[in-house]
Amino acid sequence: DAGVIQSPRHEVTEMGQEVTLRCKPISGHDYLFWYRQTMMRGLELLIYFNNNVPIDDSGMPEDRFSAKMPNASFSTLKIQPSEPRDSAVYFCASSLRGLSAVLHFGNGTRLTVT
Amino acid sequence: AQSVTQPDIHITVSEGASLELRCNYSYGATPYLFWYVQSPGQGLQLLLKYFSGDTLVQGIKGFEAEFKRSQSSFNLRKPSVHWSDAAEYFCAVGAGGGSQGNLIFGKGTKLSVKP
Repeated sequence: DAGVIQSPRHEVTEMGQEVTLRCKPISGHDYLFWYRQTMMRGLELLIYFNNNVPIDDSGMPEDRFSAKMPNASFSTLKIQPSEPRDSAVYFCASSLRGLSAVLHFGNGTRLTVT
Repeated sequence: AQSVTQPDIHITVSEGASLELRCNYSYGATPYLFWYVQSPGQGLQLLLKYFSGDTLVQGIKGFEAEFKRSQSSFNLRKPSVHWSDAAEYFCAVGAGGGSQGNLIFGKGTKLSVKP
């Protein structure tokens, strides 16, 4: 079991650029979550998928953020255009059977927007 | 609305001393409760969880937590802290059932361990 794999580990970009974060969940897990962690707001759920279908995206801060899950083994979180306030650590997590199960987190992507 | 409060932002304990990290939650029904630990540069790792049954739950690395419904608390404890326990600890509450969607995390408690 390789765990949840996120790439890149670090991303530095300039304001206005497009940023794409990637996630490979644990094989067989049917739920995938994207979280954002900042000092001010802690861990916030952005969006989650069940069987590749977005279930709740109410945490997505604005239209600049979008997420996709084209298949069971891959998801992306895109920010376009990026802004300095998007700087944070973005975590992907997966689980089996949703909230009654345990979330397995990736190591995160640290995004810095200058 | 669900919420989780961890009143202590930062705690320092001596190695070998006992530890208790506080967590209070707000949720109308029986909650699903979790403690996660985050080491620097890493993702969160589950320490323990409570779904139902025995209110004292055991976790990994010698941690335990007790669910007290009357106090809406789920405090994390360890009888003897090791230097490797230095990390940030997060309490979380979930609605359960796989259909509610949102796992709410507290702001975290950073634990430092003195030699």
